[in-house]
Amino acid sequence: GQQLNQSPQSMFIQEGEDVSMNCTSSSIFNTWLWYKQDPGEGPVLLIALYKAGELTSNGRLTAQFGITRKDSFLNISASIPSDVGIYFCAGQLGGGSNYQLIWGAGTKLIIKP
Amino acid sequence: NAGVTQTPKFQVLKTGQSMTLQCAQDMNHEYMSWYRQDPGMGLRLIHYSVGAGITDQGEVPNGYNVSRSTTEDFPLRLLSAAPSQTSVYFCASSQHGGQYFGPGTRLTVL
Repeated sequence: GQQLNQSPQSMFIQEGEDVSMNCTSSSIFNTWLWYKQDPGEGPVLLIALYKAGELTSNGRLTAQFGITRKDSFLNISASIPSDVGIYFCAGQLGGGSNYQLIWGAGTKLIIKP
Repeated sequence: NAGVTQTPKFQVLKTGQSMTLQCAQDMNHEYMSWYRQDPGMGLRLIHYSVGAGITDQGEVPNGYNVSRSTTEDFPLRLLSAAPSQTSVYFCASSQHGGQYFGPGTRLTVL
């Protein structure tokens, strides 16, 4: 099935470092979403982007909706141990009442001790 | 609000058994969906619903049935469980794009 290209697949970083991950697609999306999943839990919505060029922050997290509507990035500043987890991007193609999403494969964030 | 709730949290089935995974949301969301997540992988859409009485297939619908008789509930039925259906199942609901997930059901089929 259709999928977003999310990179990197995993990241090993030091506490305090900034993190950047992105998703690209050949399709144009109306909405970009970023989720975080902790082990044994369901994904939790971090940031939702609804407009091309939109830059939105949620605490230390910043995400942007690419101007071409085919990409998005997520930045985490000054990473802390609780940032560990898997981050997923998701894009919504259609509008109206169909909120079907296309998902990236995830970026696993690991903080080096 | 309880958000999205799923039961059971864990289930072990034998091959060929049937069962229903329950999902309920109290946010009056029209859109609900079921995903499966296999180890080290992302989410794959099984079925979804854009409102009561309306369901449609996602990416991996084979072996699963759904119904949506009310806005609140969206059960997922496994007709004849197979080992390939061992996975974690997530239900989600949405009203304006961002989907909210339940805690998941961890299913093992022996």
